[in-house]
Amino acid sequence: AQSVTQLGSHVSVSEGALVLLRCNYSSSVPPYLFWYVQYPNQGLQLLLKYTTGATLVKGINGFEAEFKKSETSFHLTKPSAHMSDAAEYFCAVSDWTGNQFYFGTGTSLTVIP
Amino acid sequence: GAGVSQSPSNKVTEKGKDVELRCDPISGHTALYWYRQSLGQGLEFLIYFQGNSAPDKSGLPSDRFSAERTGGSVSTLTIQRTQQEDSAVYLCASSPRQGDSPLHFGNGTRLTVT
Repeated sequence: AQSVTQLGSHVSVSEGALVLLRCNYSSSVPPYLFWYVQYPNQGLQLLLKYTTGATLVKGINGFEAEFKKSETSFHLTKPSAHMSDAAEYFCAVSDWTGNQFYFGTGTSLTVIP
Repeated sequence: GAGVSQSPSNKVTEKGKDVELRCDPISGHTALYWYRQSLGQGLEFLIYFQGNSAPDKSGLPSDRFSAERTGGSVSTLTIQRTQQEDSAVYLCASSPRQGDSPLHFGNGTRLTVT
């Protein structure tokens, strides 16, 4: 089974600062990769996904992530944090069948005004 | 179109009672998943339905948990003889299950067992 590791369960950044949320996965076969965001009392919303092709993926709300096969990483970034970015972020991997999804334990992002 | 709908949004029950949680997936989505999210924890996979195939029940934590999906659409997660450790948010997600399709989540049911 695959596993997903999100380094840092809590990350705090100042408003306007760079956001970097880390995700590493364990797999010998390039899987499909996803980032989801969860706002309080809501379900998870898709931010972006990597399937094939360009390794730099752009998502909603100014977020992007880069797939680095050699590092088995899929870190999420945003150049300038906004107060509305405060939420829980989950990295996820699915296998090539799309049948099973593996989630990281999440990173809670706090944005300091 | 409508997203994944879960009901109730909140449920408070007494220890030992049975509860049923409902999920209406997006129309046409053949795959349906249940996850459990405990406070401060990630998502714990419970069960997966795909079309008419036998469900993958490998994530159900005990035989008190069961789920069914009628007509390939609505799903019900049942917890019998609830325990305090069952308190969590139960999330349902659906997918068209086309390889790289993402999951679409409902807003969850927050279950509190007193």
